[in-house]
Order: sequence, then structure tokens, then C-alpha cells
Amino acid sequence: DADVTQTPRNRITKTGKRIMLECSQTKGHDRMYWYRQDPGLGLRLIYYSFDVKDINKGEISDGYSVSRQAQAKFSLSLESAIPNQTALYFCATSDFGGPGNTIYFGEGSWLTVV
Amino acid sequence: RKEVEQDPGPFNVPEGATVAFNCTYSNSASQSFFWYRQDCRKEPKLLMSVYSSGNEDGRFTAQLNRASQYISLLIRDSKLSDSATYLCAPYSNSGGYQKVTFGTGTKLQVIP
Repeated sequence: DADVTQTPRNRITKTGKRIMLECSQTKGHDRMYWYRQDPGLGLRLIYYSFDVKDINKGEISDGYSVSRQAQAKFSLSLESAIPNQTALYFCATSDFGGPGNTIYFGEGSWLTVV
Repeated sequence: RKEVEQDPGPFNVPEGATVAFNCTYSNSASQSFFWYRQDCRKEPKLLMSVYSSGNEDGRFTAQLNRASQYISLLIRDSKLSDSATYLCAPYSNSGGYQKVTFGTGTKLQVIP
């Protein structure tokens, strides 16, 4: 089983619908992240959380919200999905900050907004 | 200028060849560097970390040039299984704000 699990893995949704992507991890890491990946644009950070009470916006947070329900769970919501939010979304974790900050990614969630 | 720039490729090389990619970064305060490998439609996975001038792990060598602000990844004796996209990711800590910034990746295709 993957250490970082994302659900759903694939979703097609309509414009204007609310959708939630869920992430859970068994690595025991405090830090969790949500990225989106688009062709030619690479991985961009949406939100990150250093612990349950610490949530921060990344570089592209508009149109997204997150919830850190527990140390192991970090969900991403699109309140009103739009087509340009069609992308591959990754949840990720890391165990500490600092120069040795290895990031571990989930398997990704493909989201298509039509 | 992008914070991290990589040639998107693809680099098409025959099996057994040596290939090198460069990654340039704009933040001179970057403290460490990571190379991630990403297979098609899969998640990125850490390949190598670089904290000083370079690192070597088997067929893979990373070299850092801080003066010119680039890091390279050298793959010797390329295997078919090396076909993937390689992402460069510098780490920086500016005023307590820690950040890992990913490049868009370089695609490698190893040909039989």
C-alpha cells in the first residue's frame, strides 16, 4: 500500500460543481502539501500545512481551499470547479523542514472539469 | 526569469550512452538541490539529493556549480528503464520561509 494515498484517482466533474480530493498518509509526517501539475508548467504549490493548526497558501491558491482534519489527513476542495482547474493533482508529505527536505508524493488524482 | 529552468527535451539517446541535463536556478540562496524522477502519468520520486558540490550514486552523478547557479545530472550507461522525466528542485530558506521549487522537467527517452 502507498504511504501517501489520494482519492479519487480519477474524476470528471462539471463546471460549477464542488469537488473534494482527499489525502491520507501513514508516514507520520507533520508537513503536507497539495500541488497541481500541468504540461509545460511543472509542479505548482497550491497549499501547504506544517501541522494541524498551520495552513498556508502556496503560489496558486485562488479557487481552492484545504482542510487538515488530522495529522494524517489533508483534503483539497474546489468550491466551484472551472475548466482551467483540469490538471493532475498531487498530495505530498515531508517529515521536517531544512535542506534535507525530501518530499514524498501520492500517486496523483486526475481531475477533468467539463 | 523562471526560478528554475530546465530544457524540456526530449533527449533521445541510445542504450549505453551517457547523457547530461542542466538545471539553472535564480535564487542564489538555494541551500540544497534535489533531482526527482517522474515516470509517465506517475508521481515524482526522489532520485538524488545534493548539499555541497555534488553527489554520485551508481550511474548517476549530480554536480553543482553555485557560481553559475546550475546543477547538472549525468547518467552513464543509459538503460531503457531510465526513460522518464527528471525534475530539478532547489530548496531555499528565506527569512524562515522554506520552499522547494520544481522545474518543469527534462524528458529522457532511451532507445534500444
